[in-house]
Amino acid sequence: GESVGLHLPTLSVQEGDNSIINCAYSNSASDYFIWYKQESGKGPQFIIDIRSNMDKRQGQRVTVLLNKTVKHLSLQIAATQPGDSAVYFCAEGSGNNRLAFGKGNQVVVIP
Amino acid sequence: ETGVTQSPTHLIKTRGQQVTLRCSSQSGHNTVSWYQQALGQGPQFIFQYYREEENGRGNFPPRFSGLQFPNYSSELNVNALELDDSALYLCASSLPGNTYGYTFGSGTRLTVV
Repeated sequence: GESVGLHLPTLSVQEGDNSIINCAYSNSASDYFIWYKQESGKGPQFIIDIRSNMDKRQGQRVTVLLNKTVKHLSLQIAATQPGDSAVYFCAEGSGNNRLAFGKGNQVVVIP
Repeated sequence: ETGVTQSPTHLIKTRGQQVTLRCSSQSGHNTVSWYQQALGQGPQFIFQYYREEENGRGNFPPRFSGLQFPNYSSELNVNALELDDSALYLCASSLPGNTYGYTFGSGTRLTVV
């Protein structure tokens, strides 16, 4: 399939290690944040979300951290697997029915 | 339960032509949003449709227009195509009252030559 991650920042991680993907957002009025995973030839797939009244949320093998002071969001993936290889986007919502996406980070898992 | 389906998956158009892209929303989802994703970029919001009316629009010119039908399916129309319109066009549907609970389709890859 076509590459989604052309010229994107790339994180190479050994299989089984933990991955951390960072995102800086711009709108201090944003109250909802989502991490998406996009594989080549597919649309974005929801991973985990967090509201602005929280600073941490955990899912299955994933954790999202939100630091509103510095407008920073991170996604931690535990025990990274080959199937985690994809482009990861953060997106922010501010109550206007739309999401603003960041540029994306490519994760490459080395077997 | 079927997800969001988009058609066609790929197409090539000539500059100046018009194009219509189609989207069938996930069962029960009455809100449809369209996004443009240029190569190597994040998706950019074009507009959203709810109850067959436009319900918010991003920074796109009027030659980008849309429709939503009573069965909640939607079309994106682009007139007077330009080379920079080459992108992946994503449709996302969501449930009533769950504005950000998008389910994305796999997109239509449009190439303008």
